[in-house]
Amino acid sequence: TQLLEQSPQFLSIQEGENLTVYCNSSSVFSSLQWYRQEPGEGPVLLVTVVTGGEVKKLKRLTFQFGDARKDSSLHITAAQPGDTGLYLCAGPKTGTASKLTFGTGTRLQVTL
Amino acid sequence: DSGVTQTPKHLITATGQRVTLRCSPRSGDLSVYWYQQSLDQGLQFLIQYYNGEERAKGNILERFSAQQFPDLHSELNLSSLELGDSALYFCASSVVEGSSGTRQFFGPGTRLTVL
Repeated sequence: TQLLEQSPQFLSIQEGENLTVYCNSSSVFSSLQWYRQEPGEGPVLLVTVVTGGEVKKLKRLTFQFGDARKDSSLHITAAQPGDTGLYLCAGPKTGTASKLTFGTGTRLQVTL
Repeated sequence: DSGVTQTPKHLITATGQRVTLRCSPRSGDLSVYWYQQSLDQGLQFLIQYYNGEERAKGNILERFSAQQFPDLHSELNLSSLELGDSALYFCASSVVEGSSGTRQFFGPGTRLTVL
């Protein structure tokens, strides 16, 4: 079974702080995706990482795929209240490009 | 707005009842996915349809069934409802994005409460 464990589970920080969210597995994934979900909404794709060691930046968000393609991290610089939400990593199950396994989630709250 | 629509937004029903959730994918998308999100289980893949045919199955109970119609909208049928079926149910449609694989677009979800 391909499981994706995220840490921390909850994170409450003040505006301007930096943070890192981790997504770990004992299985190799061909790619990993990061989503953000806001209350009352469905998850929205932020990024897909495909190559081991790959780093992608999306404004203040930096995503990294582990060299062995078993883990990923999301770093947010100078967090803002608009970053508040549930962050989910997800990867395709072995043998299929579309059947996603989602991580356990990290709930982030950024306060003023 | 992802372009995926789901109805109803909220549904409250009693144990033992049957409900139908509806989803319309983005224009042009042939795949529809159904997910269940609960506090204890997280976001779980249930089933995928592609152009009217079942493509992949996940952790879907036998009491649940789905179908995709010729106009590509999909329905998820939940029967003999139990308290534990209370959850958010999401539908998604997808597009292939080259080397990045498949990108899924999620609808706003249906919140089901079983009393």
